[in-house]
Amino acid sequence: KAGVTQTPRYLIKTRGQQVTLSCSPISGHRSVSWYQQTPGQGLQFLFEYFSETQRNKGNFPGRFSGRQFSNSRSEMNVSTLELGDSALYLCASSLPGAGTEAFFGQGTRLTVV
Amino acid sequence: AQSVTQLGSHVSVSEGALVLLRCNYSSSVPPYLFWYVQYPNQGLQLLLKYTTGATLVKGINGFEAEFKKSETSFHLTKPSAHMSDAAEYFCAVGWEYKLSFGAGTTVTVRA
Repeated sequence: KAGVTQTPRYLIKTRGQQVTLSCSPISGHRSVSWYQQTPGQGLQFLFEYFSETQRNKGNFPGRFSGRQFSNSRSEMNVSTLELGDSALYLCASSLPGAGTEAFFGQGTRLTVV
Repeated sequence: AQSVTQLGSHVSVSEGALVLLRCNYSSSVPPYLFWYVQYPNQGLQLLLKYTTGATLVKGINGFEAEFKKSETSFHLTKPSAHMSDAAEYFCAVGWEYKLSFGAGTTVTVRA
């Protein structure tokens, strides 16, 4: 069974640009969530989608957005990139239901220069 | 709001020694608790989870954790450390379709 796949693995962008990251969940998983990991702030929740609906959103500016498609694949977009957006972005998928474990992809390392 | 606190940002143990990583949670309702491990340049891998039921939870790679409601703790242990256990470990609480993570504990294993 294939795991969570995130593309690309590495990205270098310039300040002011925008970026789109992609996540393909484990087959059968309809919940997809995104996290930002930085040395200073640790792991922070961005948003969660289930059946194309955002069910929860973290405390991030509106420059961060996401969506989920009918096949459960998800994308997140960051517009007007800032240096502070440099981070490892992790996607996780899970089965529906409280307490189910999240399975993480290897992440996309975004560097903003 | 649900949150976790990991005591100690760095733990150093000798190979073969006990590994003990501390995690305390704050939750107004019965929590869903998890321990994850992260190796360099990798995503997070689930070690174990607590939902309801038995308070001693066994996970992969010889790790286990004990849920103590009276102490609001969910400490992770492994009786005998191996060099391959060197990694960063995260405790997390699940609530409202998201995980809230602790700051993480980096484990180094001395030969």
